[in-house]
Amino acid sequence: AQKITQTQPGMFVQEKEAVTLDCTYDTSDPSYGLFWYKQPSSGEMIFLIYQGSYDQQNATEGRYSLNFQKARKSANLVISASQLGDSAMYFCAMREGQNDMRFGAGTRLTVKP
Amino acid sequence: DAGVIQSPRHEVTEMGQEVTLRCKPISGHDYLFWYRQTMMRGLELLIYFNNNVPIDDSGMPEDRFSAKMPNASFSTLKIQPSEPRDSAVYFCASSPPLTGVYGYTFGSGTRLTVV
Repeated sequence: AQKITQTQPGMFVQEKEAVTLDCTYDTSDPSYGLFWYKQPSSGEMIFLIYQGSYDQQNATEGRYSLNFQKARKSANLVISASQLGDSAMYFCAMREGQNDMRFGAGTRLTVKP
Repeated sequence: DAGVIQSPRHEVTEMGQEVTLRCKPISGHDYLFWYRQTMMRGLELLIYFNNNVPIDDSGMPEDRFSAKMPNASFSTLKIQPSEPRDSAVYFCASSPPLTGVYGYTFGSGTRLTVV
């Protein structure tokens, strides 16, 4: 069964505006971590942000923040003040307990000038 | 640290040939992962190691695929014989122990084309 769901295959945002990329997950393990990665056209996978299941506050890293709604099992990525360089594929991932990390299908973000 | 180093960056081979992909993880990282990325299937975990020992190889597609980690600084993924459907980008990633805030550090990937 799919454990990480990203329902938006593609998203567009105007430069300097904020955008939210959706991610829902499914787990019965009380201990888990949620991650977002960026994959630009050059192909490398870049770690952006992490949220632990026991964290009380939403994670933030610069222009990236994670809107963590535990009861709804969602971990949406918010990018503020979008830049042209933010155009890329974005992957949500989850690690349950001590297990390995599983990835969603990704969302392709295009920032328009 | 130089990060996770994969070689080669690109590989083109003929069907039936043996292919070996190489990975050097970050020093001190206990975990090493091999992923395959295709348009159709996205990012798939093939196998991962902890302290050089394979922990889960359930993602390895078939017997044509094998992976080894002879020491803490080197791993290989071998495909023999290769087939056109093996064409994909293969990523190696490494991680400290799987607790806390650690994400994986990925290598640049190897783009494999089997013709």
